[in-house]
Amino acid sequence: DQQVKQNSPSLSVQEGRISILNCDYTNSMFDYFLWYKKYPAEGPTFLISISSIKDKNEDGRFTVFLNKSAKHLSLHIVPSQPGDSAVYFCAASPNSGGSNYKLTFGKGTLLTVNP
Amino acid sequence: ETGVTQTPRHLVMGMTNKKSLKCEQHLGHNAMYWYKQSAKKPLELMFVYSLEERVENNSVPSRFSPECPNSSHLFLHLHTLQPEDSALYLCASSQDNRGNEKLFFGSGTQLSVL
Repeated sequence: DQQVKQNSPSLSVQEGRISILNCDYTNSMFDYFLWYKKYPAEGPTFLISISSIKDKNEDGRFTVFLNKSAKHLSLHIVPSQPGDSAVYFCAASPNSGGSNYKLTFGKGTLLTVNP
Repeated sequence: ETGVTQTPRHLVMGMTNKKSLKCEQHLGHNAMYWYKQSAKKPLELMFVYSLEERVENNSVPSRFSPECPNSSHLFLHLHTLQPEDSALYLCASSQDNRGNEKLFFGSGTQLSVL
């Protein structure tokens, strides 16, 4: 049973527009969420995170929104650039201060940004 | 070199072979991990080492045998694998294995079992 779900395997957007990647989770114990980005032939790299005490975290063109009541988070990329084309993984971890190795990943969403 | 380095990048092996995957981190981290990524599946945690001690074995078959000789090196010894074990094997490290820390991943070893 998947606890972290990324229901869109792929997403295609035009350069300059907004990309919105979605993630749903089922485990109410999750309280820390991360997004990783993966280019082909490379390992995932950390992008942005959010704690459950917040509903928004912003870092440059990247913003993560958390809706705890809906158990939903989203990653917004504005404006999207061709270099953002990659697979984006959502990950979740239970209780802040707990063990890092409880990180649970989604299957990923392939984002393609067209010039 | 910096970051997390994995070798080999690609590996093809028969079911009766024995091979090893190697991971080295140059970040001074205390925790290291093996993850498996199969096609169309989420990353699955296999093993966690903290300060060279195994702290998690996520129900992984014994045909996968990890080894952590020091905090900078991690191996995954493979023997009598099955074709369904074909996947991308990713090594990662973090400063420690508690708290909400970022994982730093290597580029992975793409394994094919024939």
